[in-house]
Amino acid sequence: ETGVTQSPTHLIKTRGQQVTLRCSSQSGHNTVSWYQQALGQGPQFIFQYYREEENGRGNFPPRFSGLQFPNYSSELNVNALELDDSALYLCASSLTGRLTDTQYFGPGTRLTVL
Amino acid sequence: RKEVEQDPGPFNVPEGATVAFNCTYSNSASQSFFWYRQDCRKEPKLLMSVYSSGNEDGRFTAQLNRASQYISLLIRDSKLSDSATYLCVVNGNAGNMLTFGGGTRLMVKP
Repeated sequence: ETGVTQSPTHLIKTRGQQVTLRCSSQSGHNTVSWYQQALGQGPQFIFQYYREEENGRGNFPPRFSGLQFPNYSSELNVNALELDDSALYLCASSLTGRLTDTQYFGPGTRLTVL
Repeated sequence: RKEVEQDPGPFNVPEGATVAFNCTYSNSASQSFFWYRQDCRKEPKLLMSVYSSGNEDGRFTAQLNRASQYISLLIRDSKLSDSATYLCVVNGNAGNMLTFGGGTRLMVKP
């Protein structure tokens, strides 16, 4: 196992609601990245946090926001949920934000929006 | 056009077969290249990094052609346990962002 944990495992919400997903990085890792994986597609980069600061963002609207805490755990918040937000949300931790660092994925949170 | 393109498959092969997957990427500034494996409803796991000189890990061989912006993965002597989706991944954008292809599904049959 990678040592990256995510909670909850599964979640069901309705359109318009808000959701918070959580990720604990591997011990010693200060960088967390979040990805969205829709059914049948590859993961898409949402954003990355390095030492509590956003360090890059993909093509996602502002209703996707995040935080990183002093212990380097992280949250992904999604407001005003839409049906298309139904997906597997993956977080990945890496030692630093360097390009050469391997990213280790957690098991994901499966979000269903009804 | 997608940044990383893969044939979605599925590739259905018998045990013991050799199978090859290809992938192309559009960003010539990409600096790191990987193959990840993803089992059904699980997280992606790093299979191997890909280098220009080519690299081998047991039954798996990966190759990178920077001039053609092309990455390949060869699996020899396929096992039932190789059945999974193989994701081609490139890295080279700001913030250590991984860009994934859509994945190629492999099914190894007895």
